[in-house]
Amino acid sequence: GENVEQHPSTLSVQEGDSAVIKCTYSDSASNYFPWYKQELGKRPQLIIDIRSNVGEKKDQRIAVTLNKTAKHFSLHITETQPEDSAVYFCAASNPNAGKSTFGDGTTLTVKP
Amino acid sequence: DSGVTQTPKHLITATGQRVTLRCSPRSGDLSVYWYQQSLDQGLQFLIQYYNGEERAKGNILERFSAQQFPDLHSELNLSSLELGDSALYFCASSLLETDTGELFFGEGSRLTVL
Repeated sequence: GENVEQHPSTLSVQEGDSAVIKCTYSDSASNYFPWYKQELGKRPQLIIDIRSNVGEKKDQRIAVTLNKTAKHFSLHITETQPEDSAVYFCAASNPNAGKSTFGDGTTLTVKP
Repeated sequence: DSGVTQTPKHLITATGQRVTLRCSPRSGDLSVYWYQQSLDQGLQFLIQYYNGEERAKGNILERFSAQQFPDLHSELNLSSLELGDSALYFCASSLLETDTGELFFGEGSRLTVL
């Protein structure tokens, strides 16, 4: 089955700096890669996603890059703000498997 | 508000007991997923239903079972509870069968087993 590894497990940055979280996956049939943000005590919410036919996608301060050959994808947050502090989960989805496999999460702390 | 409703929000029970968690998906969504999130852990996939049928299964214990009813709401049954079953249980829904689109999560049901 699919295996998703996410690094780092914790990340602390100063406000205004950039943050990068990386994930690798094992199943070459996976074709959908979402990122979810989970604030403390809240539900996970989709912040950005990318499909396998695209190499990069941006939405304001957030971007995701995908390297299908190397089977890795990354989340980039620029100009971080304290409200970006949360746990971020990557996931990989193989349509034939019928489910997304999530990484273990990265706890991002943005210090004012 | 994701449109996914989970009840109860909190549940405290004793070892050996049985509980039922309920989930109502977003209007129009046919797929329901159940995830377990233990303290400081990731999201462990338990099971998926699509339009009433089991679609995919994760590492769901034999003590756990689920079903999706004709009105598309789903229930997760946890029996012979152990201390280690204490966790936040999330339900998520999506329109698609194959989970290659956004998952809409409910607020979760926090289960504490004493």
